[in-house]
Amino acid sequence: DGGITQSPKYLFRKEGQNVTLSCEQNLNHDAMYWYRQDPGQGLRLIYYSQIVNDFQKGDIAEGYSVSREKKESFPLTVTSAQKNPTAFYLCASSIPNDEQFFGPGTRLTVL
Amino acid sequence: GIQVEQSPPDLILQEGANSTLRCNFSDSVNNLQWFHQNPWGQLINLFYIPSGTKQNGRLSATTVATERYSLLYISSSQTTDSGVYFCAVELGTGRRALTFGSGTRLQVQP
Repeated sequence: DGGITQSPKYLFRKEGQNVTLSCEQNLNHDAMYWYRQDPGQGLRLIYYSQIVNDFQKGDIAEGYSVSREKKESFPLTVTSAQKNPTAFYLCASSIPNDEQFFGPGTRLTVL
Repeated sequence: GIQVEQSPPDLILQEGANSTLRCNFSDSVNNLQWFHQNPWGQLINLFYIPSGTKQNGRLSATTVATERYSLLYISSSQTTDSGVYFCAVELGTGRRALTFGSGTRLQVQP
């Protein structure tokens, strides 16, 4: 059953903690992406990766970090430097320059 | 950077009515996609349409790349069509990732 999985579905973080969101795909896509969505708004790009061991910052990369050690995995770490991390986080993948497909998302809440 | 504007921001329809959603973009694009976001937040792919016209059941879309706009048509709307519709574009050069509009929130009433 091919697709994109994200875990956990809900995540609660205390101020000052780093947390890591998981994104896995079995579609054999080279490109993967992380977006953030705030209530009532569109998605904004955090980071993207066109190939293993390479990634680029998006529009709102400050306070986030990523790694791309495997083709199928693109974890996102929300660091304590991210001042307002409460949001809905969506991961996507694609063949480069082709249609993007999205995972179900992770809702992060800072307590 | 590229600007993506969607209209209208909100739309309320009676079941069975037709509607047209518009997406304007400010630069040449390599990719344009329409999504439906359901109440659980899942983004559902509707169309991948950098140019031309496509149809899928009650939905159809047209992109006129030279005039920098795309239209999404919903015919005979159903309550299950409710949600937020997003247009997203990818530039023809440079960054290879989507830039989203702010969406059209559609409510279909029985």
